[in-house]
Parts: sequence; C-alpha cells; structure tokens
Amino acid sequence: GDSVTQMEGPVTLSEEAFLTINCTYTATGYPSLFWYVQYPGEGLQLLLKATKADDKGSNKGFEATYRKETTSFHLEKGSVQVSDSAVYFCALRMGSQGNLIFGKGTKLSVKP
Amino acid sequence: EADIYQTPRYLVIGTGKKITLECSQTMGHDKMYWYQQDPGMELHLIHYSYGVNSTEKGDLSSESTVSRIRTEHFPLTLESARPSHTSQYLCASSEVHSGETQYFGPGTRLLVL
Repeated sequence: GDSVTQMEGPVTLSEEAFLTINCTYTATGYPSLFWYVQYPGEGLQLLLKATKADDKGSNKGFEATYRKETTSFHLEKGSVQVSDSAVYFCALRMGSQGNLIFGKGTKLSVKP
Repeated sequence: EADIYQTPRYLVIGTGKKITLECSQTMGHDKMYWYQQDPGMELHLIHYSYGVNSTEKGDLSSESTVSRIRTEHFPLTLESARPSHTSQYLCASSEVHSGETQYFGPGTRLLVL
C-alpha cells in the first residue's frame, strides 16, 4: 500500500545550521505531498505542501520540492532557529478525498 | 489559526472508567478525524467521519467509539479505560472535496492508571 518513509531522529543542530529532513514515498498514483509540524504541547499544523511533480512548497524559510523521479519530498531550511525545534511529519494523500498517510515523524532540536 | 478545540487537555483516570474526549470545530468542515499518537510520536488514524451520521474505522484498530450527531462535534468514547489506552489523542478536520489541509486540535493527553 501507499506509505511514507522519513529519516529517523532525533536531529540536533546548532542555530543557523542547514537542515535537511529526508522523506520518500511509495504510492500507486500521483499523491499530494505535505509537511506538517508539531510544536511542543500542540497539535499538528500544515507547514507546506505540493500537489504535483516539480512543485515547490515553501513557508517560514522551509522548502520542499516534489520529485517524481526519486519519489521524494525532502524538507530543507538554510538557517534554523531555536524556535524551529519541533517534530516534523511528512505525509501524502491520494485523491481529493483520501486520508493523509503520515511518516513516523522526525524530532528536531536546535541549540543556541 | 485553526478553530478546533479539544477538552480536556489532560486527563488522569483509573482503570475501568468510562471517558469521553470532546472535539469541536467552528469551520463548518464536513470531514473529521481522530488520531492516536504514541510516545514515539507516530500518528495512527483510529476513526474518521465524512459528515453527520457517518463514522468509519481508521487504519489502527481501537476499542474506542465515535459519534457524529452534529457537524461541529465529534466525540470519542472509551467505555472501559485501560492502561494500554494511555496516549495522546488528536482531533482534526478538513473540507471533504478539497481536502487540502487538515486542521488539528491541541490534543488530549490521557493517562490511565
């Protein structure tokens, strides 16, 4: 079935470091792809999304590009801040009414 | 900012008690969801609903039940709580047809002793 695999954490970085969180997917068709973020003590919120191949989603300095050839949607940020410390979830959805399928989450800790 | 609310935020309860976790949204969304989040952070879909009087089981088998009598309200009930039910429960909602974004509540952290 459809699935999402993302790099295991935790990931610990110093402030202003470059961030990459890898995400790959397996799907029978062409899914929409999402990154959600969960800050401590909160629910998830949408960070960015891409609905077709080669689309780039971006928000708050984070970016991810939908790569059909490598079935990937890696999350990147050029300079992380302490406030970016959170758990990041990659997800896919098939069709306009499908349920989200989440990866297992990657915990990011940014040290000052 | 998402208008989706969960109560209580934290609950400590003894084994065998009946509990209901409340979830309400004011966005008029037809589709609603319940997720169980384990300590390792992984999310498991346990129930969802397409609208009033619609309820479906999710990917993870759960002893909980849900109801959808009103569009804005999607409570989850455990008839007899057990320590294995200790977890965080997240409620979410979205439009049915666009389904682009799920909006999540802040979660209920449940501890069953």
